[in-house]
Amino acid sequence: ELKVEQNPLFLSMQEGKNYTIYCNYSTTSDRLYWYRQDPGKSLESLFVLLSNGAVKQEGRLMASLDTKARLSTLHITAAVHDLSATYFCAVDGGSNYKLTFGKGTLLTVNP
Amino acid sequence: EAQVTQNPRYLITVTGKKLTVTCSQNMNHEYMSWYRQDPGLGLRQIYYSMNVEVTDKGDVPEGYKVSRKEKRNFPLILESPSPNQTSLYFCASSLTGFYYGYTFGSGTRLTVV
Repeated sequence: ELKVEQNPLFLSMQEGKNYTIYCNYSTTSDRLYWYRQDPGKSLESLFVLLSNGAVKQEGRLMASLDTKARLSTLHITAAVHDLSATYFCAVDGGSNYKLTFGKGTLLTVNP
Repeated sequence: EAQVTQNPRYLITVTGKKLTVTCSQNMNHEYMSWYRQDPGLGLRQIYYSMNVEVTDKGDVPEGYKVSRKEKRNFPLILESPSPNQTSLYFCASSLTGFYYGYTFGSGTRLTVV
């Protein structure tokens, strides 16, 4: 059974600082997704990572994928308050055609 | 606008009263799926569909039914809702191959009393 572990689960940052969220998964997959969720809202797609070594950047967020290490990272550069949200990684394990989600990282950016 | 539309957004109902949550997508996606989100348990798949008339169980299908009679629609049916089905529900769709990711609906917050 595919397991996806995110850490940290809670992250409180100061504005302007950098930090990285980690996503480890247990079985082979080459499709990994990052989503953002604001309280009570839907999941907004941030990044789709489809191959080993994939790196994507959007604004202050950069995501990467290492399929050999079964690890993805979401790096936050110079955090701003608007980035406060819960961030999920999700892995497409292939069987059952489902996304298996990590538990999410609740990010709070403080002034 | 490309989107997945769920209705209703909020629903409070009583135990045992049948209800349907609708999901419709306008992107001609073959794949559709339902998830529920619960505190401490995260997002879990209920049912999925690879195409019209093709559906299968996810991780937590008990108490739910689905149908896929048309490509664009994938309703979630609770024949006899119980309080443990109180949750936030999301519908998602994708092209087969999933290379463009999944698009999620805006969610339905269901409370069963």
